Amino acid sequence: GAVVSQHPSRVICKSGTSVKIECRSLDFQATTMFWYRQFPKKSLMLMATSNEGSKATYEQGVEKDKFLINHASLTLSTLTVTSAHPEDSSFYICSARDQFDQPQHFGDGTRLSIL
Amino acid sequence: RKEVEQDPGPFNVPEGATVAFNCTYSNSASQSFFWYRQDCRKEPKLLMSVYSSGNEDGRFTAQLNRASQYISLLIRDSKLSDSATYLCVVVEQGAQKLVFGQGTRLTINP
Repeated sequence: GAVVSQHPSRVICKSGTSVKIECRSLDFQATTMFWYRQFPKKSLMLMATSNEGSKATYEQGVEKDKFLINHASLTLSTLTVTSAHPEDSSFYICSARDQFDQPQHFGDGTRLSIL
Repeated sequence: RKEVEQDPGPFNVPEGATVAFNCTYSNSASQSFFWYRQDCRKEPKLLMSVYSSGNEDGRFTAQLNRASQYISLLIRDSKLSDSATYLCVVVEQGAQKLVFGQGTRLTINP
């Protein structure tokens, strides 16, 4: 089946650091990638939708200048959390969908802890 | 009102029991429906799609009631490995994004 790889799986860093998370589709071309955030015991919340070669669409309340998304190729999207603070600590998960509109496939997730 | 609502549980049932979850959604224009399974500290994995005609996959049966705007998941002969959080997911017509419920936590006890 379709595989989505996310890296790194775990990040622990100091407040003020910028953190980049990669999301790759390994065996299909992902025309659309999605970035979610999940706080403990809460739902996955969509942060933004990115289409290859165009600017990401952010959900209401998500700061686009803080969460930079790049989707430069059909197999790679990156999320950069700029100047991260403790309140940004969360589980970040990407998902990808190919042009044939199949159900989304999720990456393994990145657990981010800001000290 | 939340777009997708689920009873968070937890549900604790003995192995071999039958367990059912329900989920309600608020947007009548919703088009696609899924159940995902999420293990602790892991990513969600697609369990099954949900159709008005019902969908059965082994011990799992999913049903959609559009008139009442609810989705159900039935697990028969539950196994220890069924312990997980089950996420109800809705996709609105014309939209791409998945809207997740909070999830229902299930623990199967030996």
